[in-house]
Amino acid sequence: KQEVTQIPAALSVPEGENLVLNCSFTDSAIYNLQWFRQDPGKGLTSLLLIQSSQREQTSGRLNASLDKSSGRSTLYIAASQPGDSATYLCAVTPDGGYQKVTFGIGTKLQVIP
Amino acid sequence: KAGVTQTPRYLIKTRGQQVTLSCSPISGHRSVSWYQQTPGQGLQFLFEYFSETQRNKGNFPGRFSGRQFSNSRSEMNVSTLELGDSALYLCASLAGTGETQYFGPGTRLLVL
Repeated sequence: KQEVTQIPAALSVPEGENLVLNCSFTDSAIYNLQWFRQDPGKGLTSLLLIQSSQREQTSGRLNASLDKSSGRSTLYIAASQPGDSATYLCAVTPDGGYQKVTFGIGTKLQVIP
Repeated sequence: KAGVTQTPRYLIKTRGQQVTLSCSPISGHRSVSWYQQTPGQGLQFLFEYFSETQRNKGNFPGRFSGRQFSNSRSEMNVSTLELGDSALYLCASLAGTGETQYFGPGTRLLVL
């Protein structure tokens, strides 16, 4: 059974700092890994999708990496802004691609002005 | 392109009642997945529909059921509500296998 862990559970940083969020998974037979952000009481917004054959994906100030063999992914946020404050979740789709996706609990990020 | 819509946005029910939630995916998307989100358990997969067929199911009791219509709209039903069913219910649609999931705003269900 796939388990997804995100560390830390919460993080508070001053504005402008670069930061890294971590995601680890127990079963490396994955189809893809996706990072989302969730604002309080809202749905999820997709940030980056990494296919199992890829090592990283970039979008603006965000960079996500994937190391399947070690069961790890990181989300790097450069020059953090107060608007980045949200909960960040990673989600793993198993091999086969069917959508029995497993989510981590998330990392709650607060960027202090 | 319109996003994923979910109705209603908020619901208050009492124990023992049943509830039906609706999800309209992005136009052209044939896959719809449902998730339950609670503070203690996080996001848990309920089921996934593709072209009106349930393709996958999570570990939830039979009180949780769903269906998908020919226009890809999906409904989920929870019968005999329990206090522990209070949660944010999210649906997601995607165009194809392994593609980006797009989530709706969710339906917040409170069971009293």
